[in-house]
Amino acid sequence: DVKVTQSSRYLVKRTGEKVFLECVQDMDHENMFWYRQDPGLGLRLIYFSYDVKMKEKGDIPEGYSVSREKKERFSLILESASTNQTSMYLCASSSVATEEQYFGPGTRLTVT
Amino acid sequence: RKEVEQDPGPFNVPEGATVAFNCTYSNSASQSFFWYRQDCRKEPKLLMSVYSSGNEDGRFTAQLNRASQYISLLIRDSKLSDSATYLCVVNKIKAAGNKLTFGGGTRVLVKP
Repeated sequence: DVKVTQSSRYLVKRTGEKVFLECVQDMDHENMFWYRQDPGLGLRLIYFSYDVKMKEKGDIPEGYSVSREKKERFSLILESASTNQTSMYLCASSSVATEEQYFGPGTRLTVT
Repeated sequence: RKEVEQDPGPFNVPEGATVAFNCTYSNSASQSFFWYRQDCRKEPKLLMSVYSSGNEDGRFTAQLNRASQYISLLIRDSKLSDSATYLCVVNKIKAAGNKLTFGGGTRVLVKP
């Protein structure tokens, strides 16, 4: 069974803090993704990576950066958290052979 | 206009009834189509792929209409456990990363 894990289920941070969200997958998938999900807006892609050290901007990359130093791990970084980054953050992975994305359980981030 | 549009619902469905709903997509060159299911406070999971010829998986039937740029999902003999949000998903270009675009979801509530 594919397993995608995220470092925290719930996180509360203050405005201006640097925030790290970590995602790990155990299926040797090449592709990894970070989304945020907000009511009425659905899932929006922030960044994705199709290989180690490779990254591509998604639809809403502003205010975020990512790091992929190892194949199994994809980190999302909020350099200076703001209240409009309060959201549910979902990580996903997929192999190059199929398009199916497997999601982690999500991190609900609140920025106060 | 959103790339993938869905009626947010909720669709209130008596147990045992049939429910159907559509999703429209804006990019006529879109190549792959899927339905994902998301339970309350859980991550999305692939329900089924959607093929040009239409396909069925148990009580679920998915159809693709390329001419009118919509896909549909029909659920027969609805069960209480079918209550969830159904996400319409489109892959515009099969390329490195296989970036998917998600609709906002259609909420289905099956009631006894």
